[in-house]
Amino acid sequence: VMIQSPLSLPVTLGQPASISCRSSRSLVFSDGNTYLNWFQQRPGQSPRRLMYKILNRDSGVPDRFSGSGSGTDFTLHISRVEAEDVGIYYCMQGIDWPPTFGQGTRLEIK
Amino acid sequence: QVQLVQSGAEVKKPGASVKISCETSGYTFTNYALHWLRQAPGQSLEWMGYINIGNSNTKYSEKFQGRVTITRDTFASTVYMELGNLRSEDTAVFYCARDPGGSYDYWGQGTLVTVSS
Repeated sequence: VMIQSPLSLPVTLGQPASISCRSSRSLVFSDGNTYLNWFQQRPGQSPRRLMYKILNRDSGVPDRFSGSGSGTDFTLHISRVEAEDVGIYYCMQGIDWPPTFGQGTRLEIK
Repeated sequence: QVQLVQSGAEVKKPGASVKISCETSGYTFTNYALHWLRQAPGQSLEWMGYINIGNSNTKYSEKFQGRVTITRDTFASTVYMELGNLRSEDTAVFYCARDPGGSYDYWGQGTLVTVSS
């Protein structure tokens, strides 16, 4: 089970934001990797991967996005929120079957 | 560039089946598994199943077991997902997604399936 908080995140433009994700069990796999991913879903669009294995940023993802954490507790950080960041953010674990997502955190501009 | 292009929206009656395609391009088809996920209106994402393209082995969610079938056509670099015995709760957007290992790096654009009498 993946639990995200908060579920709603109103943020002023230019301010930082963070989203927490907690897993019910450790996401460290036997290969030593931690399969924790973050996705962004803008309104009306498919999900887009932002981060994989906790802190690896996908190509084209702005460096204001970063990931941290270990074991069962993880955080997505946005250093300065921009208007294009509006959407729903999901964490996802890729270690267990079935792969599971958090409930989603809706980021909006105040 | 990698692309996953899904078939168009469908409207089905309860009890019917729907078959959605996911045509891939821009990479070696047999090198990656492909998964299917469902997103009901206003809800999070739910894993349905996946196919190992190389050997066509499949694994399905217990929730959809018996109703879902995932197949692939290696000549067309396309994966299909068929969901049977549709009910109103199946009204959702369905996505295919490529699996590089414990993640999903590319997604289809989504296919809306509406189940209504």
